[in-house]
Amino acid sequence: AQSVTQLGSHVSVSEGALVLLRCNYSSSVPPYLFWYVQYPNQGLQLLLKYTSAATLVKGINGFEAEFKKSETSFHLTKPSAHMSDAAEYFCAVVGNNDMRFGAGTRLTVKP
Amino acid sequence: DTAVSQTPKYLVTQMGNDKSIKCEQNLGHDTMYWYKQDSKKFLKIMFSYNNKELIINETVPNRFSPKSPDKAHLNLHINSLELGDSAVYFCASSQKDSFSGNTIYFGEGSWLTVV
Repeated sequence: AQSVTQLGSHVSVSEGALVLLRCNYSSSVPPYLFWYVQYPNQGLQLLLKYTSAATLVKGINGFEAEFKKSETSFHLTKPSAHMSDAAEYFCAVVGNNDMRFGAGTRLTVKP
Repeated sequence: DTAVSQTPKYLVTQMGNDKSIKCEQNLGHDTMYWYKQDSKKFLKIMFSYNNKELIINETVPNRFSPKSPDKAHLNLHINSLELGDSAVYFCASSQKDSFSGNTIYFGEGSWLTVV
């Protein structure tokens, strides 16, 4: 079965600082990988996804993620955090007719 | 237009009651899902339907029964509610099943509190 680990349940950055949210996966087949964002009291919204095309994936709101097979990672980054980025972020892995979400990372942005 | 809409958004009910959550998607998708998010934000799939047919039924109590009258609707009925059922329930849909890398579109959630 697939699995995904998000390192750090809570990440805090200052406004304008680099955002780095970590995601490592385990999959017995080439995976599809997703990042979703959940704003308070809302559903999950797709940020970006990797489906075996380019390894560097650009998403909405200035986020991007790089698929690194050798490291089994799919970390999410944004060069400069905005206050509006404060939310819960979920990494997900799909493979072998199975989809798993990570436990989520709460991003706090300090003024 | 809301792509995946679910009602009610908030529901407070007593133990032992039976309740339903309704879901509709207007995206023309073939596959619909119910997810449960617990108080620690852990998200777990409960059911998946493809064209009104059940394709995923994770280990959930049989007090939970999904019903799909057509491919645009997937309702969740819960019998004999227990305190542990308190959670946020998300309805979702995708073009085909999520295993081909299709994006899942989520509703805004239904906050269920059992007292």
